[in-house]
Amino acid sequence: DAGVIQSPRHEVTEMGQEVTLRCKPISGHNSLFWYRQTMMRGLELLIYFNNNVPIDDSGMPEDRFSAKMPNASFSTLKIQPSEPRDSAVYFCASGDRAGNTIYFGEGSWLTVV
Amino acid sequence: AQSVTQLDSHVSVSEGTPVLLRCNYSSSYSPSLFWYVQHPNKGLQLLLKYTSAATLVKGINGFEAEFKKSETSFHLTKPSAHMSDAAEYFCVVTHYSSASKIIFGSGTRLSIRP
Repeated sequence: DAGVIQSPRHEVTEMGQEVTLRCKPISGHNSLFWYRQTMMRGLELLIYFNNNVPIDDSGMPEDRFSAKMPNASFSTLKIQPSEPRDSAVYFCASGDRAGNTIYFGEGSWLTVV
Repeated sequence: AQSVTQLDSHVSVSEGTPVLLRCNYSSSYSPSLFWYVQHPNKGLQLLLKYTSAATLVKGINGFEAEFKKSETSFHLTKPSAHMSDAAEYFCVVTHYSSASKIIFGSGTRLSIRP
């Protein structure tokens, strides 16, 4: 299996621009997670999907952030407009049907200048 | 409620000596416990997991962890450290009934001295 695939791996964008991060979970997994990692706050869960439905989005920082999962093999995390404080590594992870082991992608390194 | 505490933010050992990374958990249910490793500029890789089977769990790269219910611990060990083990290690607790309640420890940075 190819594992969780994220794109882009690195993105540098200007403040105010829209950023879209993409994720392809492991085939057959029914849960998907978006995490953000920074030096100051460590790993934070942003949103969790189960069977393509958002279950817990309490970690989404504000309305500028939105996430979608139109089908079982694709999810996006969008930031509009982006701000310098959004600079972080964004990880996508997917979980197996047993529900309790998650596998991470390599991350998307976002820098907003 | 569930929580996890990694007792050391930084551990430094010499190459070839044993590694011990400590993790204590709190859980209202029978927990599932995991260790993940994150090398610099990389994603988190699953090292090993405990899900109520054998209490001594063997993982990749020679690591193992022992689930001790009486001590509410899940410490990670390796008999002999290698330079390539230098990384950040995360202890994680969850329960099968609530995949969204995956609790990460704050991480332990492992440094290896030549």
